[in-house]
Amino acid sequence: NAGVTQTPKFRILKIGQSMTLQCTQDMNHNYMYWYRQDPGMGLKLIYYSVGAGITDKGEVPNGYNVSRSTTEDFPLRLELAAPSQTSVYFCASISLGQGILSNQPQHFGDGTRLSIL
Amino acid sequence: LAKTTQPISMDSYEGQEVNITCSHNNIATNDYITWYQQFPSQGPRFIIQGYKTKVTNEVASLFIPADRKSSTLSLPRVSLSDTAVYYCLVGDPKNTGFQKLVFGTGTRLLVSP
Repeated sequence: NAGVTQTPKFRILKIGQSMTLQCTQDMNHNYMYWYRQDPGMGLKLIYYSVGAGITDKGEVPNGYNVSRSTTEDFPLRLELAAPSQTSVYFCASISLGQGILSNQPQHFGDGTRLSIL
Repeated sequence: LAKTTQPISMDSYEGQEVNITCSHNNIATNDYITWYQQFPSQGPRFIIQGYKTKVTNEVASLFIPADRKSSTLSLPRVSLSDTAVYYCLVGDPKNTGFQKLVFGTGTRLLVSP
């Protein structure tokens, strides 16, 4: 059981380039999240998804796009990389029961370190 | 959204008990309190979650007073490997997920020999 898997682990981009950060979970979780974490700071929510085909913005969505075509995958797209997007990106997932007060914790991936020069 | 306030940093020595307090004055009726631990270069890891009174697991204890406006994470007999950042989060998990949770800057715990 791999949990939440993020690829790549490291990447260096030039300004204006685009890339997709991959996130896959094998726990059949319905909720998935993308966060970014700047040095010495807490995590900020970029986008989240409550199920396949459904996504919504978090705190800091500008400059990013997401899609959720399957339960397992939740890729994050950077279209025009900017230095301000240099950060560590974390993907997370959680499963919630319908009508049940569930306190299952989020499962996090190990992150993608992205530098934009 | 329930905002949380934690100390920025704490120092301790091996073998001591560490208590980290989190303030959440506007916690809502359905909100749970969750604590995460994060090591450098890793994603946050769930430690403990509770609603009221006291919760204990193999890693930590969580104390929540009756008014629920604060909570205290207690780490018994810390070791060097407990050096990490600890986050307190408050939110309602019922059918809405944790998308509204806000990760603050957390508390940096440094354990020395």
